[in-house]
Amino acid sequence: AQSVTQLGSHVSVSEGALVLLRCNYSSSVPPYLFWYVQYPNQGLQLLLKYTSAATLVKGINGFEAEFKKSETSFHLTKPSAHMSDAAEYFCAVSEWKSSGDKLTFGTGTRLAVRP
Amino acid sequence: DGGITQSPKYLFRKEGQNVTLSCEQNLNHDAMYWYRQDPGQGLRLIYYSQIVNDFQKGDIAEGYSVSREKKESFPLTVTSAQKNPTAFYLCASSIGGLAGVEQFFGPGTRLTVL
Repeated sequence: AQSVTQLGSHVSVSEGALVLLRCNYSSSVPPYLFWYVQYPNQGLQLLLKYTSAATLVKGINGFEAEFKKSETSFHLTKPSAHMSDAAEYFCAVSEWKSSGDKLTFGTGTRLAVRP
Repeated sequence: DGGITQSPKYLFRKEGQNVTLSCEQNLNHDAMYWYRQDPGQGLRLIYYSQIVNDFQKGDIAEGYSVSREKKESFPLTVTSAQKNPTAFYLCASSIGGLAGVEQFFGPGTRLTVL
């Protein structure tokens, strides 16, 4: 079964600092990987996804992620944090079975941004 | 506007009662999903449906039931057999039929058992 591990349940950065949220995956086949963001008491919104077209994926709100097969990683970065980036971030891997497509989520990383 | 609606936003239930959470989408998506979210545990899949009149158990289906009689609707019933039902419930949909497609999420329903 496929899985994802997010290192660090809480990350705190200063406004303007680099954001780095870590995600490592386990998959027996080339994976489809996603990053979603969740603001308090809301649903999830897609930030970006990797589908093997390019290893560096650019998403919304200035976020990007790099797929590194040798490290089985898909870390999320943003050069300069903004107060509005404070939210919870989830990495997910897609698994296709005859019964359909399923997403397996990591446990999430809560990002705090200090003024 | 196309999207997914969930109702109610907040729901309170007494122990021993069944309760049904609504999920409707007007995106013309074939696939729909129900997740449960608990603090520190991420999202866990309860049930999913790739097509009308068909659905599959996810990782934590015990104590839950679903139906998929219409393409746009996928209600979730939390039964009295669910031992710890207090959680945030999220519904999602996708075009289905392909690997790696984006899932779109509703705003969620927070269920509290009193």
